[in-house]
Formats: sequence, C-alpha cells, structure tokens
Amino acid sequence: QSVLTQPPSASGTPGQRVTISCTGSNSNIGSYHVYWYQHLPGTAPKLLIYRNDLRPSGVPDRVSGSKSGTSASLAISGLRSEDEADYYCAVWDDSLTGVVFGGGTKLTVL
Amino acid sequence: EVHLVESGGGLVQPGGSLRLSCAASGFTFSDYAMTWVRQAPGKGLEWLSSITGSSDYTNYADSVKGRFTISRDNSKNTLSLQLNSLRVEDTAVYFCARDKTPFYWGQGTRVTVSS
Repeated sequence: QSVLTQPPSASGTPGQRVTISCTGSNSNIGSYHVYWYQHLPGTAPKLLIYRNDLRPSGVPDRVSGSKSGTSASLAISGLRSEDEADYYCAVWDDSLTGVVFGGGTKLTVL
Repeated sequence: EVHLVESGGGLVQPGGSLRLSCAASGFTFSDYAMTWVRQAPGKGLEWLSSITGSSDYTNYADSVKGRFTISRDNSKNTLSLQLNSLRVEDTAVYFCARDKTPFYWGQGTRVTVSS
C-alpha cells in the first residue's frame, strides 16, 4: 500500500480528456514537487511532468499537471490510443527519507 | 542524448548475491544523483536507493536497507547496486535512473530469485 493514492484504473474514448489523481500528505506532496511518468510494460518509464506542472521537451501540451495542497493531478486531453499505459506519480517523502511512487493507474482508451 | 544501460541481472537462489551495473552516457555523470527503482511482476514502481554525484550521501528504502548497497564510479560513468541476502520477493525488473526523482531511465535488467 503506497503512501500516495492513485485510482487503479481510468478510461476514456479517443478525443476525450481524462484526469488521474494522486493524493498524499504534508510530508510528501504538501512539501515537494510532484513528478508523473508513463510506463509501457517492457520499456523504460518516461517522464511526463516534473516540478508539478512542467513538461520535458517532446511531451505534447495536451499533457498537463497540477498540484494543490496534498494532492496532484495529471490531465491528458485529446486522448489517443497510444496513451494507453500505466501512469505513476512520484515525490520525495520526508518521513521515509526517500522517493515514493503512487500505486499506478492503468489508462484504457476505449 | 542521455543513455542508461543496465546489466547484471539473472537467476539467483534465495540468500544469494548479484551485482547490477548501469553504464551512463550523454551527460556529465558526476554532476547528477543516480537512483535505482524496481518493478516486481504485476506490481508498481518501487524506489530503492539514491546516491549523490560525489557519493557523499546515500539513502535506501526500508525494504532493502542493510541488504543492498549503491555505489558509483565517476571515472567509468558507472552506477552499481550490490544485492545481498536476496529473497523471492526481490524478483523484479531493476531500473537505473538519473536524478533523485528520475528524469531519465534505462530499459531495466531482470532479476529472478528462485530455488
């Protein structure tokens, strides 16, 4: 059971907008920047969002991140079939003195 | 372009040891903290350990503290993870990554602990 709570699944149809939440506490999200990753089985995870809402080069602007208090969200608009993957949030945690990952959300494009 | 390539995975018996390596290129290795993360079958990502650029500070997840040791050789641009006292539950794909909260990741190396 992770200290960061994500919904186990999310879904949407092509073109729709979906959001994935990540809920933590004052020792992690409340104090530090949140990162989001996309992971396809058998491949290297890919950074989508860093420092809550910044996109690395190459990540399209239909992907966005936000943070408020002890929660964060990842939003993907204009959903495409290639967005089908697992998504993880991550953040430093003072209590654990290490990085914690959310349990992951499996996104299905219907 | 940042490139991280893990090696050293394989099949090992419970209680055994293994040493994983990660060859880094495309950036000034000594300028960055490095991290190991794993994913057990059917599970999510789990942070294991990080080391600063100059090796002056390391930290570990409770699940591996005292059994795993992270190290680096900046002259060879190589990150290592020594895995001792391995358990069946250590079976996973092990990823090396750049930065404490990873920016770049390798493809991973598979470790199977089984008798």
